[in-house]
Amino acid sequence: EPEVTQTPSHQVTQMGQEVILRCVPISNHLYFYWYRQILGQKVEFLVSFYNNEISEKSEIFDDQFSVERPDGSNFTLKIRSTKLEDSAMYFCASSIVRSNYGYTFGSGTRLTVV
Amino acid sequence: GQQVMQIPQYQHVQEGEDFTTYCNSSTTLSNIQWYKQRPGGHPVFLIQLVKSGEVKKQKRLTFQFGEAKKNSSLHITATQTTDVGTYFCAGLGGATNKLIFGTGTLLAVQP
Repeated sequence: EPEVTQTPSHQVTQMGQEVILRCVPISNHLYFYWYRQILGQKVEFLVSFYNNEISEKSEIFDDQFSVERPDGSNFTLKIRSTKLEDSAMYFCASSIVRSNYGYTFGSGTRLTVV
Repeated sequence: GQQVMQIPQYQHVQEGEDFTTYCNSSTTLSNIQWYKQRPGGHPVFLIQLVKSGEVKKQKRLTFQFGEAKKNSSLHITATQTTDVGTYFCAGLGGATNKLIFGTGTLLAVQP
C-alpha cells in the first residue's frame, strides 16, 4: 500500500536554529498538508498546499514557517528560528482530491527544541 | 474559528463492552471524517460521512452524521484489545480546505 514518507523520524535542535522537515507524499496525490501534535494533545492543522501554492494556513503558521515543493516528489516544512514551543510531532499528509477520500498521514517527525 | 469537540476525553472499558465517542462542531460541516491513532502512531483514516443523517458500518464500528451536519458519533460494539487508541473526528467546513481535528477520545480496553 502506498505510504507517505517522512524524514527524519526524530530531530533535536537548539532554540533559534532553522529546521527542515521532509516529506514524500503519495505519488498521484495532489493535495499536501502539514499538521502538528503536541504530546497528548489534538492534531492541529498548519497548512495545505495545492498546485504549488499554499491554499490554506492556520494562525499557527506564521512568518517563521514556510513550505516548499522543491521537485516533483518532496514536500518540505521549514521553521526558520525554532522556539521551545515548536516541540511537537509534525505530520505530513496527502490526499488525491480535496479531502473526499481521507488523508494519508506519514509516521511523523518528532521535533525537540532545546 | 471552527472548533470540533469530542466527549469523552478518555474511556476505559472491559473487553467485550461497547464504546461510543461523540463529536460536535461549532459550524456546519460539508463532511466529517474519522481517524484512529494507535499509541505512538499516526492518524489512520477510517471513514468519511457526507450526507445529513448518514450511517455507515465497518464490521463492529458504526458511524453516524447528524441531521444538522454539526455532530457525529462512532460506536464500537464488543470492544477488543486491538481497538485501543485515540479516535479523532475531523470536519471539513464549507469552502475551507482546512480539515479540523476534534479533541479526540482515548480508548483503553482491559482484557
